[in-house]
Amino acid sequence: EPEVTQTPSHQVTQMGQEVILRCVPISNHLYFYWYRQILGQKVEFLVSFYNNEISEKSEIFDDQFSVERPDGSNFTLKIRSTKLEDSAMYFCASRDRGVGNYGYTFGSGTRLTVV
Amino acid sequence: GESVGLHLPTLSVQEGDNSIINCAYSNSASDYFIWYKQESGKGPQFIIDIRSNMDKRQGQRVTVLLNKTVKHLSLQIAATQPGDSAVYFCAENISRQGGKLIFGQGTELSVKP
Repeated sequence: EPEVTQTPSHQVTQMGQEVILRCVPISNHLYFYWYRQILGQKVEFLVSFYNNEISEKSEIFDDQFSVERPDGSNFTLKIRSTKLEDSAMYFCASRDRGVGNYGYTFGSGTRLTVV
Repeated sequence: GESVGLHLPTLSVQEGDNSIINCAYSNSASDYFIWYKQESGKGPQFIIDIRSNMDKRQGQRVTVLLNKTVKHLSLQIAATQPGDSAVYFCAENISRQGGKLIFGQGTELSVKP
């Protein structure tokens, strides 16, 4: 079964440093997403991406965040200057168009720890 | 206001019993709903979905009920097994506004053998 792959599985970074979280969505999917989950809390939407541009973003997704699809396979989330409160699990998801459950598939996540 | 506590609601059941997990969704304009299962260290895994033109949908061992009047979803798991132990989230979507999912708080299901 096709998977969404995320790397690394765990990233530790110092406050103020830049991090890039990487995702390889399912190859024929058209829509891409980042979500985050602070420990013990619910999953929160960050941003959606379609046709090489952001289609929607949440209040969390401020100027410190950016997304990119640098080639035909990767989808990245960059945090320019990490803060302690950015510590969370970050999930990438992708979906096809018009499939029953939208074909929404989540990756296993990257645990980001900011120290 | 929104809860920001670290404790999820917990449901503890005996193996073989039926489980019912409830969720209150937030937006009356939502027209598509999904239940996800999340095991420790993994991403959300699709279980079952339902559109707002239905009030019940059945899958293998799972049933989702939708009550739009009170904005309530439930997930019923028949003959619960130890492998069902996980955190369960409902998610809502307004399909005409794109694919963004709004997740509920989650319920931790613990199945005792």
